Amino acid sequence: EVQLLESGGNLVQPGGSLRLSCAASGFTFSDYAMSWVRQAPGKGLEWVSSTSGSGGSTYYADSVKGRFFISRDNSENTTYLEMNNLRAGDTATYYCAKNWASGRGAFDVWGQGTMVTVTS
Amino acid sequence: SYVLTQPPSVSVAPGQTARITCGGDNIRSRSVHWYQQRPGQAPVLAVYDDGDRPSGIPERFSGSNSANTATLTISRVEAGDEADYYCQVWDSRSAHWVFGGGTKLTVL
Repeated sequence: EVQLLESGGNLVQPGGSLRLSCAASGFTFSDYAMSWVRQAPGKGLEWVSSTSGSGGSTYYADSVKGRFFISRDNSENTTYLEMNNLRAGDTATYYCAKNWASGRGAFDVWGQGTMVTVTS
Repeated sequence: SYVLTQPPSVSVAPGQTARITCGGDNIRSRSVHWYQQRPGQAPVLAVYDDGDRPSGIPERFSGSNSANTATLTISRVEAGDEADYYCQVWDSRSAHWVFGGGTKLTVL
């Protein structure tokens, strides 16, 4: 069964840092791009970042560029989101998602999400 | 940056057809994906590449894309279809994925 399991969400103060992890199973991890999407409480989906299968290409939303960094360890079937200089506006549930190349890049598998709360 | 516009809400009676629109400049030139998100759950891919269905998605779900509007159509709506629906495209100019603001489907 194809699965994604996020972890690392927590309560953090403004200006702090956090690293989220997304462990994948059930598919050849290195063959697929991976993405992070967040959802603030009561709000819509916001794309955060994506990485290619090799990790050689990375993409970021303007709202997080320069503060967040996506990476992956294909030997561990895990993708990461390093979040720095966190702001109250970063408070959200963070989902990781698998990009489906045959589906024109659609996000065909999602994790259950991990909650990040930025507050003093 | 590219913007996708969805109506905040759509209401439909059970058994009727729901149509949820997603507006964008020349969206016809892009591949549109649709996601369903039930309350308290992660999103699920409902339609990809304008109108194809992933395995496990009922045939009642279909999509179309023309000019400046893409449409998700749900036929014979059921109570279980009540959810938020989001459209999504890749903007190659900015190298960003873009989501619409979401539409809450209410089954009356």
